[in-house]
Amino acid sequence: AQRVTQPEKLLSVFKGAPVELKCNYSYSGSPELFWYVQYSRQRLQLLLRHISRESIKGFTADLNKGETSFHLKKPFAQEEDSAMYYCALSGGGSQGNLIFGKGTKLSVKP
Amino acid sequence: NAGVTQTPKFQVLKTGQSMTLQCAQDMNHEYMSWYRQDPGMGLRLIHYSVGAGITDQGEVPNGYNVSRSTTEDFPLRLLSAAPSQTSVYFCASKAGGFTGELFFGEGSRLTVL
Repeated sequence: AQRVTQPEKLLSVFKGAPVELKCNYSYSGSPELFWYVQYSRQRLQLLLRHISRESIKGFTADLNKGETSFHLKKPFAQEEDSAMYYCALSGGGSQGNLIFGKGTKLSVKP
Repeated sequence: NAGVTQTPKFQVLKTGQSMTLQCAQDMNHEYMSWYRQDPGMGLRLIHYSVGAGITDQGEVPNGYNVSRSTTEDFPLRLLSAAPSQTSVYFCASKAGGFTGELFFGEGSRLTVL
């Protein structure tokens, strides 16, 4: 079964500290993985996707097929990074429905 | 471009009432979908459509109907609301294909008493 697991509901760090939001997936084929972010009072938006291999707002994520993980990392957290983060899996089929994890709320303290 | 527009933003219903959540997009996207967001549950797919005249069920379709008569519009209907349908609903669209970016509406907060 296709599944995305984000083990932490809440992650609290101090400004300047490194951040790692964990994401593990279950999928038998070759998945496409994404991170979406929802800032306070804003709509959900794409942060980055595996296929692009890019860094957005200092965040990176590497697909580890051996560990079936796609953890989101940032070396130095900023207060404006406080938001809800969702890992998502595009599980196949031409339509590419996204399966979301339950989300991790990141709180960056000053 | 307005992107994805949802109405209403807030709605309170009594059990058994019906209503329609409206969703429109102006990006000529083929794919549209509805998710519900509940605390501790993340986003769960209700229904989706890959083009006008084509709809299909997602993970949690019970109690909801959809139709897609035009590329732009994808309304979500609750025929007989239940308290379990209290949630925040998101409409989203994308250009189609496996890796396309999903664009979300602002959400509609529905409370069923």
